This record gives sequence, structure tokens and C-alpha cells, in this order.
Amino acid sequence: DQQVKQNSPSLSVQEGRISILNCDYTNSMFDYFLWYKKYPAEGPTFLISISSIKDKNEDGRFTVFLNKSAKHLSLHIVPSQPGDSAVYFCAASAGNAGNMLTFGGGTRLMVKP
Amino acid sequence: NAGVMQNPRHLVRRRGQEARLRCSPMKGHSHVYWYRQLPEEGLKFMVYLQKENIIDESGMPKERFSAEFPKEGPSILRIQQVVRGDSAAYFCASSHDRVGAKNIQYFGAGTRLSVL
Repeated sequence: DQQVKQNSPSLSVQEGRISILNCDYTNSMFDYFLWYKKYPAEGPTFLISISSIKDKNEDGRFTVFLNKSAKHLSLHIVPSQPGDSAVYFCAASAGNAGNMLTFGGGTRLMVKP
Repeated sequence: NAGVMQNPRHLVRRRGQEARLRCSPMKGHSHVYWYRQLPEEGLKFMVYLQKENIIDESGMPKERFSAEFPKEGPSILRIQQVVRGDSAAYFCASSHDRVGAKNIQYFGAGTRLSVL
């Protein structure tokens, strides 16, 4: 039972354009969401997070949007750069489940020069 | 300010041997988490520890796997009598004291375990 799903295994975008990565969840107890970026043979690197009391959080080129009614969140990267090419994971945690993170399966982003 | 340190980076074991994976959290972090990533999948939670205490081990297999975070020294994930299905990347993460707002988990580079 996948509680966090990233339905697009890969995404290809031209440099300078917007990248939109999507994530859906099923557990209504999730109250905190995070995006991580991962290069091959490295650990995940934290990018940006959002609490369920907000619907948007922005940090430089990265913006995360949360739609609680649809149980959907998205990560926007604009403008996209070739160095953004990596696998992106969304993760969620629930206040009543300690601090464990539940991860999606990841989306591989390729930004073409 | 060193990040989360994991060693070894790569570990090769034959079936039936023991594997020991080590994790030193970031300075000032007292919470340690272990995750496992199988090929082409996302990370799966295994265990959450604080110093000398296992807080949540709901993701740990019931047999052969154990974890500790002693008062002194790194956290250890121990896999006894390894089987080929244990081959995976094992990631450790740490976070600051979780009192108050949600805390971000910072990950190490992982240990890639290969069982022959």
C-alpha cells in the first residue's frame, strides 16, 4: 500500500523552462511534506518543505504547493538548470507517527541544455 | 560542520555473513533514522533511535536485523546471516531535537551492501 506516490517516473525539460514534479498521498494524517533531491551514489539532499497549515512555500527557484483537499503536492523549479538533473523524492510525515518519513518512488528529472 | 557520516560506503558480504553499518549523526543531532532503498524504489523507513533508546522500529524486519545508538559512538545497523535480498542501499539520517516544530532529516551518503 503506497501512501505516497509519484506517478511520473521521469520528466524531461528544456533549460530555462519550468519543471513541475507531482506527488499524491493517501494518508490524511500526514501533516508535513518534504522534497529531496538525489544524485547517483549520494544520499538525498533536503530541498524544501511545507506544513499542512500552509498551501505554498517558496525558496529561491523552488516552490512547493500543497492542495490538502486533493491530497496533492507539487514542486516547481523555475528556471530549470542542467544541474537540477537528478531524482526527486517527495516525503511525508504524520504527527502521530513520530518522525518517520514515508517516501514516494521518485521522479527522474532531466534538464536539457 | 560535518554532515551525516556513514561507513563503509560499499560493503560486500557472502550469504550467511554479518554486515555492520555505521552512522555518525550531524553535530548537535540526537535523533537517528535508518532507511533502506531497493533498486528503482523509494526509501523505506526501518528504525528511529535516540541515544540508548529505540523509539520506533516498525519498519525493521523481525529477524536478523537490529539497530543501536549507544551513549558513546556511532549508531550501528546490524544484519546477521545476510541473504541476497538484503542487497540494497542503506541510508542514515539525523535530525535535531524534535521538541516543537517538525524537524528536517539530513541524510548521509549511504552504504551500498552487496550480498554474493
